[in-house]
Amino acid sequence: RKEVEQDPGPFNVPEGATVAFNCTYSNSASQSFFWYRQDCRKEPKLLMSVYSSGNEDGRFTAQLNRASQYISLLIRDSKLSDSATYLCVVIRSHSGNTPLVFGKGTRLSVIA
Amino acid sequence: DAGVIQSPRHEVTEMGQEVTLRCKPISGHDYLFWYRQTMMRGLELLIYFNNNVPIDDSGMPEDRFSAKMPNASFSTLKIQPSEPRDSAVYFCASGIEQFFGPGTRLTVL
Repeated sequence: RKEVEQDPGPFNVPEGATVAFNCTYSNSASQSFFWYRQDCRKEPKLLMSVYSSGNEDGRFTAQLNRASQYISLLIRDSKLSDSATYLCVVIRSHSGNTPLVFGKGTRLSVIA
Repeated sequence: DAGVIQSPRHEVTEMGQEVTLRCKPISGHDYLFWYRQTMMRGLELLIYFNNNVPIDDSGMPEDRFSAKMPNASFSTLKIQPSEPRDSAVYFCASGIEQFFGPGTRLTVL
């Protein structure tokens, strides 16, 4: 099992729809979690952090479920400009090993 | 702040040639990361530095790859000799928050 797994998609949704992605992780000692957004042929950019209590930023909500070892990203009222690949990042405990692992990303396409 | 600067933005070279990729991180950031991204393997962490010291290079694919950070404002990733399977986009990222540079698109013929 890979340490961080994401459904690659693509998720094709109409404008205005609500869409949710999950990202599962296998290392229960993982400490911190983030969502990044990557546009085609561009660099990844930090979208938001993920806290146990949940994190909301406008139309975007990120949540962490430690018991089931997954994080989620919910996008409400999706816009054409939300079309991108969404990468989850898991920060491991600082034990000297590679500190973080990126998922391969979930591709979202919002259609007019 | 100019953000993370990488050069060159595009590099096309022939198999066997040496390739040097450059990165200037954001001033004041203690961490610098080098990544490689391909369609097949996604984003892979190659090596990272803390205060100019390499901490973990376990992601470096083989001895043909080497990275240095001679000072807080500059890092290089070198491939010698390059091979076609090294073709990818190489990113550096600054800070534990991972501010990415625009990347270098490397094509090895």
